[in-house]
Amino acid sequence: NAGVTQTPKFRILKIGQSMTLQCAQDMNHNYMYWYRQDPGMGLKLIYYSVGAGITDKGEVPNGYNVSRSTTEDFPLRLELAAPSQTSVYFCASSYGTRLGRETQYFGPGTRLLVL
Amino acid sequence: GIQVEQSPPDLILQEGANSTLRCNFSDSVNNLQWFHQNPWGQLINLFYIPSGTKQNGRLSATTVATERYSLLYISSSQTTDSGVYFCAGDRGSTLGRLYFGRGTQLTVWP
Repeated sequence: NAGVTQTPKFRILKIGQSMTLQCAQDMNHNYMYWYRQDPGMGLKLIYYSVGAGITDKGEVPNGYNVSRSTTEDFPLRLELAAPSQTSVYFCASSYGTRLGRETQYFGPGTRLLVL
Repeated sequence: GIQVEQSPPDLILQEGANSTLRCNFSDSVNNLQWFHQNPWGQLINLFYIPSGTKQNGRLSATTVATERYSLLYISSSQTTDSGVYFCAGDRGSTLGRLYFGRGTQLTVWP
């Protein structure tokens, strides 16, 4: 199993440009998440999904969009990039039921610099 | 949201020493987890521990859910233990909203 994979590893964007961060998992997890990590801080949840076709906002969703058309993929779209979106982005997945969720597995991260 | 406090913020140890990291939550949490972020940025899950005690090699964790805290014990520390340790939990009713602390930066010297 590759686990959770993310592309690209690193990207520089100009202000106002758009891009999509890719995330895929091969563990058949139903839950997937996008987090951002700013320097010296913990992770903050951007968006999450509990299954294909179902997404919801986290703590910091402004400036981002997501879609979940398959169980495996959960891309994160940045429209009109701003310097405040300079961060490291982590995708994660877990298996969840009504009774609870298991531990989250993280991808290697995407470093984004907006200039 | 839930406030997560981790202590100490920084910890410097010599190889072989033991340490205890603490995580306090402002409200009841479910699905409490501990993660290690290595110097290359990779996040690795260490424990899924909503309550009780678990051990994995030199690491163990204890969560006292009724008192809203969790402890991570590292024994006989090694240089490869260096990195940032995060705890995180959610409220159960808000699926997916995992709240992270700011982490404990651990440096282990040979």
